[in-house]
Amino acid sequence: DVKVTQSSRYLVKRTGEKVFLECVQDMDHENMFWYRQDPGLGLRLIYFSYDVKMKEKGDIPEGYSVSREKKERFSLILESASTNQTSMYLCASTSGGRVDSYNEQFFGPGTRLTVL
Amino acid sequence: KQEVTQIPAALSVPEGENLVLNCSFTDSAIYNLQWFRQDPGKGLTSLLLIQSSQREQTSGRLNASLDKSSGRSTLYIAASQPGDSATYLCAALETYKYIFGTGTRLKVLA
Repeated sequence: DVKVTQSSRYLVKRTGEKVFLECVQDMDHENMFWYRQDPGLGLRLIYFSYDVKMKEKGDIPEGYSVSREKKERFSLILESASTNQTSMYLCASTSGGRVDSYNEQFFGPGTRLTVL
Repeated sequence: KQEVTQIPAALSVPEGENLVLNCSFTDSAIYNLQWFRQDPGKGLTSLLLIQSSQREQTSGRLNASLDKSSGRSTLYIAASQPGDSATYLCAALETYKYIFGTGTRLKVLA
């Protein structure tokens, strides 16, 4: 079974803190994604990565950065957390070197982040 | 810009009913379409993936169809059960990005 794990289920941080969200997948997937999910807005793509050390901005990258030093690990960084970054953060991965060969996307359990 | 719409936003049915959930997309140039379920406060669980060259996929009581020309996909759930209660989301894959609908919240009453 594909497994995508996220470092925390719940996280509470203060405004201005630097926040790291970690995601690990165990199926050697090339592609990894970070989304945030908010009521009424659905899932929105923050960043994605199609290879080690490669990253592409999604629809809402402002205030976030990412790191992919190893194939199995994709980290989301909030450089200076703000209250409007309170959200559910979801990591996902999929195999397939080309977009027309992408297979199922598998999600982690999510991290509920609250910024006070 | 691709838009994915799911109607209705919420649905309540008695146990045992067969039901259809709808997903519409505005740009037919998609590579695949995936259906997920999400339980409250949890991540998404993959249900079915339909590649652009396919018309349908089946898994147990679930059947998903894809009609690219009309910009529609449907998820058919046979003999619904209370355990099917969840939010169902569809996602269309375009160039390196999945575009998600906002989901249909399903409640199956015992």
